[in-house]
Amino acid sequence: QSALTQPASVSGSPGQSITISCTGTSSDVGGYNYVSWYEQHPGKAPKLMIYDVSKRPSGVSNRFSGSKSGNTASLTISGLQAEDEADYYCCSYASSHTLIFGGGTKLTVL
Amino acid sequence: EVQLVESGGGLVQPGGSLRLSCAASGFTFSSHRMHWVRQAPGKGLVWVSLIDTDGYTTTYADSVKGRFTISRDNAKNTLYLQVNSLRAEDTAVYYCARDGGGLGLWGQGTLVTVSS
Repeated sequence: QSALTQPASVSGSPGQSITISCTGTSSDVGGYNYVSWYEQHPGKAPKLMIYDVSKRPSGVSNRFSGSKSGNTASLTISGLQAEDEADYYCCSYASSHTLIFGGGTKLTVL
Repeated sequence: EVQLVESGGGLVQPGGSLRLSCAASGFTFSSHRMHWVRQAPGKGLVWVSLIDTDGYTTTYADSVKGRFTISRDNAKNTLYLQVNSLRAEDTAVYYCARDGGGLGLWGQGTLVTVSS
């Protein structure tokens, strides 16, 4: 049950787009279309941003989008805003009713 | 209001036990699979355990298997996590989360500190 691999940090300027990758294996990310993404601000609970690879919950901005190719999922944030600065975590269903999270990516808006 | 509220955390000595609770309100608790997720200070999210709607299917991360037990009381709209044989590395904020296409509802977390 090793964590999914995410870059430790990414950065971008306001208005730009960034992409965060999340790499797993054929036993998790590559094997199921159940990848989700979470945003977490310091001292706060995580917030669901994307589920089932590319679906957005009600109320989440359409600036957030998700995709998957093989064993790698991606979260793209377009039109970066200052309030997007946070930690982002990917999560995948794995075998036998378990979940696995990525190590997290710190997004800095320059 | 739709919410999850955790309780039961605290300071415990190595080898000790606690029972964490997660009270659900504002939605049909019995219709949702539930999870516990933890986060050590300054670290990332780690999935801990899952329980299905009827309580019969439960799964655990390898790191807690045999020491932690998840359960639920649908009549009381409450999720539990019994944590035994605690170790220093179990120190974390423990969150409960509702499954419904991703983990779409989280509590505020309860802090468990394992220290002598």
